Amino acid sequence: QQQVKQSPQSLIVQKGGISIINCAYENTAFDYFPWYQQFPGKGPALLIAIRPDVSEKKEGRFTISFNKSAKQFSLHIMDSQPGDSATYFCAASIGGNNRLAFGKGNQVVVIP
Amino acid sequence: DTAVSQTPKYLVTQMGNDKSIKCEQNLGHDTMYWYKQDSKKFLKIMFSYNNKELIINETVPNRFSPKSPDKAHLNLHINSLELGDSAVYFCASSTRERQTEAFFGQGTRLTVV
Repeated sequence: QQQVKQSPQSLIVQKGGISIINCAYENTAFDYFPWYQQFPGKGPALLIAIRPDVSEKKEGRFTISFNKSAKQFSLHIMDSQPGDSATYFCAASIGGNNRLAFGKGNQVVVIP
Repeated sequence: DTAVSQTPKYLVTQMGNDKSIKCEQNLGHDTMYWYKQDSKKFLKIMFSYNNKELIINETVPNRFSPKSPDKAHLNLHINSLELGDSAVYFCASSTRERQTEAFFGQGTRLTVV
C-alpha cells in the first residue's frame, strides 16, 4: 500500500517556466514532508522539507506549499533551468520514526 | 570526500550466485539504511541500523542479510540471487535525531542474468 502518491508521473517544462509536482498522503500522523532530488546515476538528495505547522516554505527557487486539510503538498520550481532536470521524490514520515515513505517519483525535464 | 560511499557501483552476476555490497559513511552518523529502487524508480526501505543494531527489517527475503561491523559501515549480502533482485540498491545514513534527513550513496546497480 503506497502511503504517498505523486502526480504527474513526468513533466516537461520550458526553461524559465514553473514546474509543479503534487503529492498526496493518507496518514494524518505524518508530520514531516521532504522532497528529494535525484540526478541520473546518483542517489537522492534532500532538497527541501516542511512541517505541517506552516503552509509554505521557500528556499531559493524551490517552494513547498502544504495543505493540511487536503492532505496534499506540492513542490514548485520557479524559473526552471535545464540543470533542474531530475527525478523528484516526495516523502513523509512520523516524527521520531526513521521510516521515510517515498512517493514513486516524478521525472522533470526542462528544455532550453 | 565522499560522504556515503558504496562499492561496487555496478554488479552483474548470474542467478544463484552470492554477492555483497559494501557501504561506508564518514559523516559520523549513527543510523544507516539500505533502500531498493526498482526499474520504475520506486524507493523502498529494506533495513535500518542504529549503532549496529537492526531497527527496521521490512518484508525482505531472508536471502538478504545486512551486516554492520561498526557504526560507519553497513554491508548487504545477498544469497542465491534471483532475476527479480535486479535493481539499484542505495545505502544511506543519518543521525538518530534527524532520521528523516538521510544522506544517500550513489547506488549499486545490480543486474542478475
